[in-house]
Amino acid sequence: GQQVMQIPQYQHVQEGEDFTTYCNSSTTLSNIQWYKQRPGGHPVFLIQLVKSGEVKKQKRLTFQFGEAKKNSSLHITATQTTDVGTYFCAGRSKTSYDKVIFGPGTSLSVIP
Amino acid sequence: DTAVSQTPKYLVTQMGNDKSIKCEQNLGHDTMYWYKQDSKKFLKIMFSYNNKELIINETVPNRFSPKSPDKAHLNLHINSLELGDSAVYFCASSQLDGRAFNEQFFGPGTRLTVL
Repeated sequence: GQQVMQIPQYQHVQEGEDFTTYCNSSTTLSNIQWYKQRPGGHPVFLIQLVKSGEVKKQKRLTFQFGEAKKNSSLHITATQTTDVGTYFCAGRSKTSYDKVIFGPGTSLSVIP
Repeated sequence: DTAVSQTPKYLVTQMGNDKSIKCEQNLGHDTMYWYKQDSKKFLKIMFSYNNKELIINETVPNRFSPKSPDKAHLNLHINSLELGDSAVYFCASSQLDGRAFNEQFFGPGTRLTVL
């Protein structure tokens, strides 16, 4: 079945450093979403990418969708302590559009 | 105005008991979900309902039974609770527009602890 992987599993950075998490799917995706979950909180939608090669920015966050629509990345420039949390990608397969598969998440810690 | 609400927030119970978690959304969405998040934070979809009809039923034990009395509510009943059921359960909702995949709104979660 479809699998969605994320690396790294954990990342500890000094405040001000950059951070990137990568998401890879075993199958071609129709689109991909990113969510952030703060410690003790619930996942909150960040963005959706639909087109091959798409790049979207939200302030210090940059999201990319691969040309083959099988991978994606989230890059945070100059991390802040408010960026702490777990970042999940969630992909919907082109063949089974009812099902959304979440990646295992990347847990980000920011050291002040 | 809470978009997706769940009750209870915490649930501590003994093995073998039966318990229910309730979920309500006031967003007018037609699709609702139940997810289980284990201690490693892995989010696994359990069920999905669209307009009160079950559309996704992952390999979840029969002890778990979802019920959707209307499209704004999706409850989860668990029979004969086991230690391995301890987790955080999230309800979510989204609007399914044809084949479009819209963002999911998550509830605050229910932390279930089975002793």
